[in-house]
Amino acid sequence: EVQLVDSGGGLVQPGGSLRLSCVASGFTFSEYVMDWVRQAPGKGLEWVSATTGSGGYAWYADSVKGRFTISRDNSKNTLSLQMNSLRDEDTAVYYCAKRYEPAGGHFDYWGQGALVTVSS
Amino acid sequence: EVVMTQSPVTLSVSPGERAILSCRASQSVSSALAWYQHKSGQAPRLLMYHASTRATGIPARFSGSESGTEFTLTITSLQSDDFAVYYCQQYSHWPLTFGGGTKVEI
Repeated sequence: EVQLVDSGGGLVQPGGSLRLSCVASGFTFSEYVMDWVRQAPGKGLEWVSATTGSGGYAWYADSVKGRFTISRDNSKNTLSLQMNSLRDEDTAVYYCAKRYEPAGGHFDYWGQGALVTVSS
Repeated sequence: EVVMTQSPVTLSVSPGERAILSCRASQSVSSALAWYQHKSGQAPRLLMYHASTRATGIPARFSGSESGTEFTLTITSLQSDDFAVYYCQQYSHWPLTFGGGTKVEI
């Protein structure tokens, strides 16, 4: 059974940093593109970032480019999102998500989400 | 960026009735369209992909269709468990983009 467990959320001041983690199980983690998607309060879903199975390539939404870094440790089946220079508008529930196919496609499994609150 | 526009924003229906949700892409996405159901406090759930293929375990009362850049999710005979927010998402172009969502309420 595929499972994605998100953690690392919390309250942080504007300008601060936070690191989210997602531990995966039930599939060959290293073979799949993995993503982070977020939902701000009262808003819809917004794609944030993705990385290839090897971690060698990454893509970012313009809203987080230069501030967030996605990475993965395939030996620990863990996906991470390092968030720096956080802003009020980064407040959201962050979900890690698995792609249906190794090379991409839609999302077939999601984590339960980690709440990040940016506030002074 | 491909803009996904969903309508209506809110859909009020009664249990047992049919719900029709629409999603329009600003350019061709070549059937690379998924639908998700999202309930508060839960992870989103994949319903449909490739515009009209039901995901594993999704009941047959959910169906998807496409006509050019217009996509439709139809839920026949709504059940209490179906009241949620539904999102479409295109995965044809970077960045991946979602529609704004349709809330299906009683």
